[in-house]
Amino acid sequence: SAVISQKPSRDICQRGTSLTIQCQVDSQVTMMFWYRQQPGQSLTLIATANQGSEATYESGFVIDKFPISRPNLTFSTLTVSNMSPEDSSIYLCSVESGRKYEQYFGPGTRLTVT
Amino acid sequence: GIQVEQSPPDLILQEGANSTLRCNFSDSVNNLQWFHQNPWGQLINLFYIPSGTKQNGRLSATTVATERYSLLYISSSQTTDSGVYFCAVSTSGTYKYIFGTGTRLKVLA
Repeated sequence: SAVISQKPSRDICQRGTSLTIQCQVDSQVTMMFWYRQQPGQSLTLIATANQGSEATYESGFVIDKFPISRPNLTFSTLTVSNMSPEDSSIYLCSVESGRKYEQYFGPGTRLTVT
Repeated sequence: GIQVEQSPPDLILQEGANSTLRCNFSDSVNNLQWFHQNPWGQLINLFYIPSGTKQNGRLSATTVATERYSLLYISSSQTTDSGVYFCAVSTSGTYKYIFGTGTRLKVLA
């Protein structure tokens, strides 16, 4: 399975600012996914990022708030823009690795907005 | 959209006990995974099991796709088994996984 890293691992940010989260994979992958996990909740898919095309966002998530870049087959970024305390969550990236449709997750970025 | 419910929501066990976690889903699925989220937030893959039965050490899982449920068995539980267990499903032709509500497990020494 792929080895996935994320930066930063955690951060505390002021409301109104933006944070960019990086996801790096040790092998080339076609699709990368970004999830949000609010405190005490399950995971929700934010968007799917394919290299060379615009990200596809799920209902309730918009590009202005969560812009995503996918410059190559091993790297993606998610920006959380104009943050509010409601954005305090764990943000995780995942990739398909091994068998088709099987997803593996990065260690997550724990974000606190004050 | 598809609904994924897990039970029980919370479970406390003494070390050495066995347990069964259940995942019910409301529609046909083509892919199903079980994950363990440890106290540091890391999601660890346990099983990819769209149907049938698999075993890995003290853990085993069974999915009965026609009846729309999956079970995760933990035997001889250890304190390191503590955390949240999620099942996640996706339907035909899509990579989009829907996560269940989770089971929070605490194993006491």
